[in-house]
Amino acid sequence: DSGVTQTPKHLITATGQRVTLRCSPRSGDLSVYWYQQSLDQGLQFLIQYYNGEERAKGNILERFSAQQFPDLHSELNLSSLELGDSALYFCASSVSPGNEQFFGPGTRLTVL
Amino acid sequence: AQTVTQSQPEMSVQEAETVTLSCTYDTSESDYYLFWYKQPPSRQMILVIRQEAYKQQNATENRFSVNFQKAAKSFSLKISDSQLGDAAMYFCAYRELTGNQFYFGTGTSLTVIP
Repeated sequence: DSGVTQTPKHLITATGQRVTLRCSPRSGDLSVYWYQQSLDQGLQFLIQYYNGEERAKGNILERFSAQQFPDLHSELNLSSLELGDSALYFCASSVSPGNEQFFGPGTRLTVL
Repeated sequence: AQTVTQSQPEMSVQEAETVTLSCTYDTSESDYYLFWYKQPPSRQMILVIRQEAYKQQNATENRFSVNFQKAAKSFSLKISDSQLGDAAMYFCAYRELTGNQFYFGTGTSLTVIP
C-alpha cells in the first residue's frame, strides 16, 4: 500500500457524460500527478500540481481539467467522454516536484 | 522533450534465472534521475529501483540491480534469481534534476516460466 488513495476504483459511464476522479496523496506529500494508461500502453502524463498550483502540463485534452484543493487532495474532471477515454487513470504523489512518485491503485474508466 | 525507449515489448525468463531489461533515453542534461517501476497484474505501480545520474555506482535493491551507462544513455535492469512474483510489466522512467515531469517508456512485459 503506497498511501495514495483513489476513488472510485471502477467507473462505467456513457459517451458524452462527465466524471470526476478523486485522489488523496500520501500524508505529507504536496505534489500530485495524474497519468492515463490506455490498454496495453505506457503511462501518459496529464498534469501535475504542487501545493494547490498547477506546475506542469502534459498530453491533457481540453475536455479534461484538474485541480488540487487546500487539503491537498486532487480531482480530475473528464467531460464529453468518448470511447477512447476508456483507460486506467493513475494518481501519484511525491514530497516535492521531481521526487520519486508513489502511485495510487488507479481508477478504471470504461466509456460505453 | 525527453524520450525513453524500451525496445523489448516482451521478455521471458526461467524461474531462478537472470534476465536483463533494456532502457535507453535521450537527454541533453548532465544531471537527472532514472527509475524502474513494476506493474503487476493488479495494475499497481511499484517503484523498484532509482538511480541518480551523478552517482557512478550502480543502484542495487536485493535481487534487482541496474547497469547505468551514462555516456551511452542506457539504463538496464537486471533481475537475479527470478521469481514467479516478478512477472509484471516493467517501466523505465526519467526525470530531470529540477524538472516536474516524469517521462515513461512503453514498458516491457516480463513472463517468468516455472
